[in-house]
Amino acid sequence: DADVTQTPRNRITKTGKRIMLECSQTKGHDRMYWYRQDPGLGLRLIYYSFDVKDINKGEISDGYSVSRQAQAKFSLSLESAIPNQTALYFCATSDSGLRIGEQFFGPGTRLTVL
Amino acid sequence: GIQVEQSPPDLILQEGANSTLRCNFSDSVNNLQWFHQNPWGQLINLFYIPSGTKQNGRLSATTVATERYSLLYISSSQTTDSGVYFCAVLEGQFYFGTGTSLTVIP
Repeated sequence: DADVTQTPRNRITKTGKRIMLECSQTKGHDRMYWYRQDPGLGLRLIYYSFDVKDINKGEISDGYSVSRQAQAKFSLSLESAIPNQTALYFCATSDSGLRIGEQFFGPGTRLTVL
Repeated sequence: GIQVEQSPPDLILQEGANSTLRCNFSDSVNNLQWFHQNPWGQLINLFYIPSGTKQNGRLSATTVATERYSLLYISSSQTTDSGVYFCAVLEGQFYFGTGTSLTVIP
């Protein structure tokens, strides 16, 4: 089984709808991240969490919110989706221990907002 | 934040050729990762290489942290090597380069 899972893998929604993307991990890592990737571009950080009680905004947090329900679960919400939020969304994890700079990614969620 | 630059931005190779991808970063770091994003969008860990040299099959990587760069070598390239290669460093949060898009032609 995959260490970092994301649901759903694909989602098509309409402008104005609320959407939640979920991420779960079995790696036992304390740090989790949400990124978005637009076609032909690199990854941009939306939010990150260093533990259950720690939430931090990334480069592009406007229009998004997150919830860290448990060490293993980190969800991303779009309160009112808009077309320019159409993108590929990745969840990632890392550990604050010895290999602190090593990240592991989920398979991604392709979100289309019509 | 730290600046991460990759070169070349695009690369087209004939199958069997070798290539070198470069990642420069603007400040000293003690960690660096290389990823391969395949044509299906998956991000695959290649190397966690804060310093020194590592090899994994046809791929190898070298990081010279004191000179703020890392190199990814691909030898005897195959069509399955196509995709985008990213490097990333951690300084508070992770910073990614803009990637090198590699196309390997049969």
